[in-house]
Amino acid sequence: QTVVTQESSLTVSPGGTVTLTCASSTGAVTSGNSPNWLQQRPGQAPRALIYGATNKHSWTPARFSGSLLGGKAALTLSGVQPEDEAEYYCLLHYDGVWVFGGGTKLTV
Amino acid sequence: EVQLMESGGDLVQPGGSLRLSCAASGFTLSGLSMHWVRQEPEKGLVWVSQINSDGTFTFYADSVKGRFTISRDNAKNTLYLQMNSLRVDDTGFYYCARGTLSIPGLDSWGQGVLVTVSS
Repeated sequence: QTVVTQESSLTVSPGGTVTLTCASSTGAVTSGNSPNWLQQRPGQAPRALIYGATNKHSWTPARFSGSLLGGKAALTLSGVQPEDEAEYYCLLHYDGVWVFGGGTKLTV
Repeated sequence: EVQLMESGGDLVQPGGSLRLSCAASGFTLSGLSMHWVRQEPEKGLVWVSQINSDGTFTFYADSVKGRFTISRDNAKNTLYLQMNSLRVDDTGFYYCARGTLSIPGLDSWGQGVLVTVSS
């Protein structure tokens, strides 16, 4: 069974920069896993931020960026805003099947 | 405006069945893959199932394989999830989500519907 691992929690100051990572139990995360990143605020549905590792949706704020870094997928927030406090989920693709990470609780 | 509206959630006994629907508006369902995702209250997201644009290919998480069936009616712009042999650990909010057009991914999400499996 494939396991996707994220940091359980991170803290960042307003205006700062933070990087969240996403690792796969099968080995290095690649573009073939088409990493997606989603944000979920309390009481709300998830909102997609990044797909295909680096691609932003039309509604994704410019301060969010995705990358592949050291065998992991990464989500970097630059110039963090108070409204960025939320749970962030990574989602990886494995031959038609998708697996979520456990989520990272970001505290601002 | 793209909208996805789930319905059909209910309280059901273990071993029972339920069918969820996801009505799409603001876009045409055909041509896009669709997904179902579950979230237990106060817990993380769990991907459940995907169907391709014309319904010829379906994929399932191991935990629901053989019990759940995803389907779509593009003429009605609606996605479905038939859930049989329900278990207590199937309890949660069920979200439908639209697949992206080119690179695999998910973009728009519904607000979710609650399924409670309990005796």
